Amino acid sequence: GAVVSQHPSWVICKSGTSVKIECRSLDFQATTMFWYRQFPKQSLMLMATSNEGSKATYEQGVEKDKFLINHASLTLSTLTVTSAHPEDSSFYICSARGEAGGDTGELFFGEGSRLTVL
Amino acid sequence: GQNIDQPTEMTATEGAIVQINCTYQTSGFNGLFWYQQHAGEAPTFLSYNVLDGLEEKGRFSSFLSRSKGYSYLLLKELQMKDSASYLCAALDSNYQLIWGAGTKLIIKP
Repeated sequence: GAVVSQHPSWVICKSGTSVKIECRSLDFQATTMFWYRQFPKQSLMLMATSNEGSKATYEQGVEKDKFLINHASLTLSTLTVTSAHPEDSSFYICSARGEAGGDTGELFFGEGSRLTVL
Repeated sequence: GQNIDQPTEMTATEGAIVQINCTYQTSGFNGLFWYQQHAGEAPTFLSYNVLDGLEEKGRFSSFLSRSKGYSYLLLKELQMKDSASYLCAALDSNYQLIWGAGTKLIIKP
């Protein structure tokens, strides 16, 4: 089946630094990628939707200047958490939908990235 | 507004059968997904229903009633490894996934 690779799996950084998380579709072209955040014991929350070659659409309450999303190619989207603070510590997950999903709209998830900001 | 409801937690015995229900209200509807999520891991796809009826996949089955806005996930011959959270998600008219909060399933020996 379709594979989405997310990197890094774990990252620890100091407060005020920026962290970049990559999401790659390995065997299909992802026209749309979604970025989610999950706090402990809570459900996944959609942060933003990105379509290749255009600006990401952010959900209400998500700061677009803090969470920079770039979807420069059909196989790669990146999320950069700028000037990270401890409250940004969370599990970040990407998912991709493309031709592999066909008309079902099935999403394929990355492995997730656990960010800890000290 | 858009809403997904599913029980917060369920407990079942190894070898038994459990049914996890989900009701949804969305702007348009393009199908319903069930995902399994073990603690600390990303969700994994279990099933997708867009037509009414029951879809069976081994020990897992998923049912959909579009007229009632209702779905359930049926797990048979429960194993300890089935202990996880089960997420119900509906695809709305904009192909956005609307997620439920998940049902934590606890399997006891």
